[in-house]
Amino acid sequence: DQQVKQNSPSLSVQEGRISILNCDYTNSMFDYFLWYKKYPAEGPTFLISISSIKDKNEDGRFTVFLNKSAKHLSLHIVPSQPGDSAVYFCAATYNNNDMRFGAGTRLTVKP
Amino acid sequence: KAGVTQTPRYLIKTRGQQVTLSCSPISGHRSVSWYQQTPGQGLQFLFEYFSETQRNKGNFPGRFSGRQFSNSRSEMNVSTLELGDSALYLCASSLTQTPHRELFFGEGSRLTVL
Repeated sequence: DQQVKQNSPSLSVQEGRISILNCDYTNSMFDYFLWYKKYPAEGPTFLISISSIKDKNEDGRFTVFLNKSAKHLSLHIVPSQPGDSAVYFCAATYNNNDMRFGAGTRLTVKP
Repeated sequence: KAGVTQTPRYLIKTRGQQVTLSCSPISGHRSVSWYQQTPGQGLQFLFEYFSETQRNKGNFPGRFSGRQFSNSRSEMNVSTLELGDSALYLCASSLTQTPHRELFFGEGSRLTVL
C-alpha cells in the first residue's frame, strides 16, 4: 500500500532554472511531511519539512508547498544548481507512526 | 558526533542463506528504523525499535526480523534469502519518538542474493 507517491521517476532541468518535484499522499492522517535528498553511495539526508498547519515553508533555495485538500506537496528549488542532482524522496508521518516514503525522483541539473 | 554506522557495507549471499545486518545509531538516539530500498519502490519500511521494543512493523514476511539492544544498537536478520531480497538496507536513528522527528540515515548495507 503506497501511501506516498512520487509519480515522476526522473526530472531534468537547466542550471539556474526552477526544479519542481511533486508528491501525492493518500492517508489523510499524515500531519508532517519531509523531503530527503540522496546521493549515490550515501544515505538519505533531511532537506526540509512542513507541518500540516502550514501551507508553505522556505529554507534558502528550497521551498515546500502543501495542499491538504489535494493531498499534494511539492518541492521547489530555485535556482537549481548542478550539485542539486540527486534522488529526492518525499516522506510523511503522523503521531508516533513510522515514516512512509515515496519511490523517489531523480533530479538532474544540467550545467 | 559520529553518524549512523551500518555494517557490513556490502555482502553477497546465496538463496536459502540467512544474513544479519548491524546498525549503530547516533549517540543518544533511542529510536532505530530499518528500510529496504529497491529500484522503483523507494524506501519500504521494515520495522522500528525504541528502547528495545518493536514499535512499528511494515508489511514484510516473517523472514525479516530485528532487535534492539540496551545500548540502542540494532540488528536485522533475514532468513531463507530469496533473490528478491537483493536491496540496499538502510538504518535510520532519531532522538525520540516525537511526531515530528527527523531521521538520520546510515550509508546502508547493500545485499546481493545470488
